Amino acid sequence: EVQLVESGGGLVQPGGSLRLSCAASGFTFSRYWMSWVRQAPGKGLEWVANIKQDGSEEYYVDSVRGRFTVSRDNAKNSLYLQMSSLRAEDTAVYYCARDFLTARRVTSDYWGQGTLVTVSS
Amino acid sequence: DIQMTQSPSSLSASVGDRVTITCRASQGISNYLAWYQQKPGKVPKLLIYAASTLQSGVPSRFSGSGSGTDFTLTISSLQPEDVATYYCQKYDGAPRTFGQGTKVEIK
Repeated sequence: EVQLVESGGGLVQPGGSLRLSCAASGFTFSRYWMSWVRQAPGKGLEWVANIKQDGSEEYYVDSVRGRFTVSRDNAKNSLYLQMSSLRAEDTAVYYCARDFLTARRVTSDYWGQGTLVTVSS
Repeated sequence: DIQMTQSPSSLSASVGDRVTITCRASQGISNYLAWYQQKPGKVPKLLIYAASTLQSGVPSRFSGSGSGTDFTLTISSLQPEDVATYYCQKYDGAPRTFGQGTKVEIK
C-alpha cells in the first residue's frame, strides 16, 4: 500500500524558514517523480514543485521559485521542501504526492494527508 | 503561464442527475488533463488522467472528454457520495496549474 506521511509543519514568523519532510513507503520511491501541492485554508489546490527521480530536475511555481527548494533522499525514501522567506500567503496545508509517468508527462496519483504551515507573527 | 478555468464554481443537483463540469485552458494542452475529487476534509483523489482515462477503482459513472483547450468531467448519475469539490489540472509541463474547483452538492 502506497503511504506518504508529511511532517515538519507548524507556526513560523514571516521571513522565517521551515523544512517539510515526506516519508514514502509501499512503492519503489526512487522510480517516481514527486511533487508538493498546497491548499490555503478554504481555498483551492496549488501545485508548488516537483522533482525528478534522481533529483536532477526540479520545477517550481513562480510564487515560490527562489524561496523554496525541493529535494529528495532516495536512500531514506524521503522527500523534502525547504521553505525560506516565508510569507503570510504561504499559509496552507502542504501535501506530498507521488507522480506517475503517462505519455511522457507526470501527474499525481497518491497524496499524503498533509501538514499545516502557518505563517504569522 | 497557462490558466485553467472551471465552470460552474458550484452546482446543486439531485441524486441520479447527470452532472457536467467544464475546464478550459488558456492555451492548448493536448490531452494532458487530470481531474481530482476532494471530499470535505479529505485528501484529493485522482479520478481521470489523459483527459479521459479512468483511474483504477474509480466508478464508471465518472467520465472525461476533451482535447486542446476544452474539457469536461461528467457524472452520469449523481450519488450522495459524490458530494465533493472537483479540480482539473494540466500537466503538459510546469507549472501544473489547477482550476479553481467546482463544488458539487446534492439538492
